[in-house]
Amino acid sequence: QVQLQESGPRVVKPSETLSLSCTVSGFSIVSDYCWGWIRQPPGKGLEWVATICQGGRTFGGPIIQSRLTMSMDTSKNQFSLFLTSVTAADTAIYYCARVVAATSADHWGQGTLVTVSS
Amino acid sequence: EIVLTQSPGTLSLSPGERATLSCRASQSISSRYLAWYQQRPGQAPRLLIYGASSRATGISDRFSGSGSGTDFTLTISSLEPEDFAVYYCQEYGSTFGPGTTVEVK
Repeated sequence: QVQLQESGPRVVKPSETLSLSCTVSGFSIVSDYCWGWIRQPPGKGLEWVATICQGGRTFGGPIIQSRLTMSMDTSKNQFSLFLTSVTAADTAIYYCARVVAATSADHWGQGTLVTVSS
Repeated sequence: EIVLTQSPGTLSLSPGERATLSCRASQSISSRYLAWYQQRPGQAPRLLIYGASSRATGISDRFSGSGSGTDFTLTISSLEPEDFAVYYCQEYGSTFGPGTTVEVK
């Protein structure tokens, strides 16, 4: 059974870097699948943040490509998101997910609320 | 950048009724890249349909997807109480539509 769990600081100061990790259990991240981050501002819709695939290929969503970095740690079966220069607009529930053929997310974490505030 | 528009914004129906949700793309997209998700309050989204018409694992056959080019449809044949939720379409691991809320009439 594939399970994903987000972890990281719940509060980040403006202009600093948001760092989140997703630990995957029940499935190896070294596979034909990609791994992604999707966020949801409170009370609003979904926004695709970024996707990372084998070999470290990274695809940004339509919003914030210039501020993001993703990485994979195969020894921990974990992947991470780093978003620089955050503002209040980056406050959201951040979900990690397994991505099929870089197109759709078929398994999701429960989500973690990250608030940007001084 | 492709923009997805969903209609209606809110659909008010009774249990047992049929729901038809629309997703329109600003330019033609491959059906392979169109997915639908359901999100219940306080929960993570759940993949329902991928490739425009293929049901994800464990999804009831009440849910069906169709369409091509710029126009796609999600149909729920007979609403169950647990189907009242928000539904999003999504294109190629990227853009989401704004969502359609299916609420109890």
